[in-house]
Amino acid sequence: DAMVIQNPRYQVTQFGKPVTLSCSQTLNHNVMYWYQQKSSQAPKLLFHYYDKDFNNEADTPDNFQSRRPNTSFCFLDIRSPGLGDAAMYLCATSRDEGLRETQYFGPGTRLLVL
Amino acid sequence: LAKTTQPISMDSYEGQEVNITCSHNNIATNDYITWYQQFPSQGPRFIIQGYKTKVTNEVASLFIPADRKSSTLSLPRVSLSDTAVYYCLLEGTDKLIFGTGTRLQVFP
Repeated sequence: DAMVIQNPRYQVTQFGKPVTLSCSQTLNHNVMYWYQQKSSQAPKLLFHYYDKDFNNEADTPDNFQSRRPNTSFCFLDIRSPGLGDAAMYLCATSRDEGLRETQYFGPGTRLLVL
Repeated sequence: LAKTTQPISMDSYEGQEVNITCSHNNIATNDYITWYQQFPSQGPRFIIQGYKTKVTNEVASLFIPADRKSSTLSLPRVSLSDTAVYYCLLEGTDKLIFGTGTRLQVFP
């Protein structure tokens, strides 16, 4: 089945130690998104790629970076995780960038910062 | 800045119809309204999308009044498995804004 895959499902890192979260998709969608979701809150968009074009949200901290080496994979890099970065990180895809495009979400990676 | 608000929680019983409203007073002309369902430790899942009036699919209906400042997700005859958090999402040009989310608890 075509899907959005996130690995690992749980990630533990230390305060200040760089960490990378992975997302892959078999849907062949053009757009990939990264969201941060803290406990009992709505997902918050960090950035997205339309093909190779990177679009950063204005309020996304510089501590968060992303890479998309090819259509199928997208990575979220947190350069120096703080305790406040502990959250669920959701990857999503959509076929295109326009309106009315359904987003398909992965299961998320829960990040714990010690 | 557009803001979408929802009731924090709702309770229902199996077999009842549930209506969850989202308020989006500052909706823009180009914005679409999408609803997602999220279970614990899972990513949100698409339920339904609309622009105006009424949209219906096999799982839900979406009602949007003429002024589009609110929308109502209607779940007919809910079951225990519908217990989840429901989010409305405003999608527009350069905009993706999730609502605050409504936690629906369905009781036997």
